[in-house]
Amino acid sequence: QKEVEQDPGPLSVPEGAIVSLNCTYSNSAFQYFMWYRQYSRKGPELLMYTYSSGNKEDGRFTAQVDKSSKYISLFIRDSQPSDSATYLCAMSGPTGTASKLTFGTGTRLQVTL
Amino acid sequence: DAGVTQSPTHLIKTRGQQVTLRCSPKSGHDTVSWYQQALGQGPQFIFQYYEEEERQRGNFPDRFSGHQFPNYSSELNVNALLLGDSALYLCASSLSGTGVGRPQHFGDGTRLSIL
Repeated sequence: QKEVEQDPGPLSVPEGAIVSLNCTYSNSAFQYFMWYRQYSRKGPELLMYTYSSGNKEDGRFTAQVDKSSKYISLFIRDSQPSDSATYLCAMSGPTGTASKLTFGTGTRLQVTL
Repeated sequence: DAGVTQSPTHLIKTRGQQVTLRCSPKSGHDTVSWYQQALGQGPQFIFQYYEEEERQRGNFPDRFSGHQFPNYSSELNVNALLLGDSALYLCASSLSGTGVGRPQHFGDGTRLSIL
């Protein structure tokens, strides 16, 4: 069983839709949670990072963490064609975001006109 | 402000050869981590360097080795290349320390193909 599970998709939504991306994890040692966006032939780009359970908002993006259920989500409001990319969740242990990251497989998102 | 830069962007090698990949961290960062990303998969942690020493290592064989220089730049070396080493190799940099405020920033990677 993988430590981090993420539905690979692809997920196709119309422009303007609300997108929900999710990851579950099994390792209770994970304390820090990140979302990265990866365009084709590019490296992962950091979107959001958080420690606490609850919600963190940044523009059209909201990250949600539920440590009791070992479940994290990323919501994208008013999705745009430029949001079409692979979204990777990543997690790290108690030493913080600078230490080893464990990634999900990534969810491929396509936003259509 | 320059981000993480990696070279070369693409590389083709044959089985049994050796390869060296290079990384310059984001300005102000002192910690470098290397990841391997196979097609359709998430990145897998190889190792991390800080103060010119390997601090953490993932589940990779000794064929994978690295180095960090006094200017914080880093190299990843892979010996005796196998077909399964074909992947995108990503370098990430961050500030050292604990807590939430030191996220890792990635370069665009080196795509390594083994024939």
